[in-house]
Amino acid sequence: AQTVTQSQPEMSVQEAETVTLSCTYDTSESDYYLFWYKQPPSRQMILVIRQEAYKQQNATENRFSVNFQKAAKSFSLKISDSQLGDAAMYFCAYRSYNNNDMRFGAGTRLTVKP
Amino acid sequence: DVKVTQSSRYLVKRTGEKVFLECVQDMDHENMFWYRQDPGLGLRLIYFSYDVKMKEKGDIPEGYSVSREKKERFSLILESASTNQTSMYLCASSFRQGAKNIQYFGAGTRLSVL
Repeated sequence: AQTVTQSQPEMSVQEAETVTLSCTYDTSESDYYLFWYKQPPSRQMILVIRQEAYKQQNATENRFSVNFQKAAKSFSLKISDSQLGDAAMYFCAYRSYNNNDMRFGAGTRLTVKP
Repeated sequence: DVKVTQSSRYLVKRTGEKVFLECVQDMDHENMFWYRQDPGLGLRLIYFSYDVKMKEKGDIPEGYSVSREKKERFSLILESASTNQTSMYLCASSFRQGAKNIQYFGAGTRLSVL
C-alpha cells in the first residue's frame, strides 16, 4: 500500500518570506497524482495544487509551486511571499491513476508570523 | 462552485448511542468518501462509495457503516458510539476517474462521545 510521509509536524515563516513543506511517498506505481491540500483553522479543506506524475514540469499556482522529484519520491510545496492567510494545516496526498481513494500524510501546521 | 455540506459542525453524543452523520454534495459526483481526522495521523479513509447503494471499506471501517440511497447523499453511521470514536469526520466527493478526480471536502463534523 502507498504511504505518504510529512516529516515536519510544524513549520513557521515570517510574513513575505518563503517556506518549503516536505513530503515523501512510497509507491511501486508509475502513474499517479500528488496533491497539496490546505485546511485553515475551523474551515474546510481546499486543494492548493496538483501534480500528475507523468508530467516532468513542476506545477505552479500563483505563489504556490512544487518540487516534484519522481525518482526520489519527493513532492515538496514552496510558498513564496507568505501571507497571514496562508496559516493552516497542509496535507500532502497521493492517488493512484486508476483508483478512487487517496492516501494522506499526517499534515504540517504552518504558522505565519507578522 | 462545488458544495459539500455536512449536516452538523459539532455533535456531542453518549456512549452506546446510534449516531448519524450526513453529507450532501451538489455536483453530481459519483464518488463520495468518509474520512476520520486525528492529530498526528492525518486523514484515514473509513468508507467510500462509487455509486448509489455501492460501498467499499477503507482502512478503518470497524465500528462504522454507511448508506448511499441517493447519489447526492452519503451517510456515516456509528451503530453504538464509543469514546474512541471521538474525532473530526470529513466527507468528500469527486468524479469517478481521470484527471478531474479531485476530492472536494465538507467543513467537517467534530464528534465528541462522552
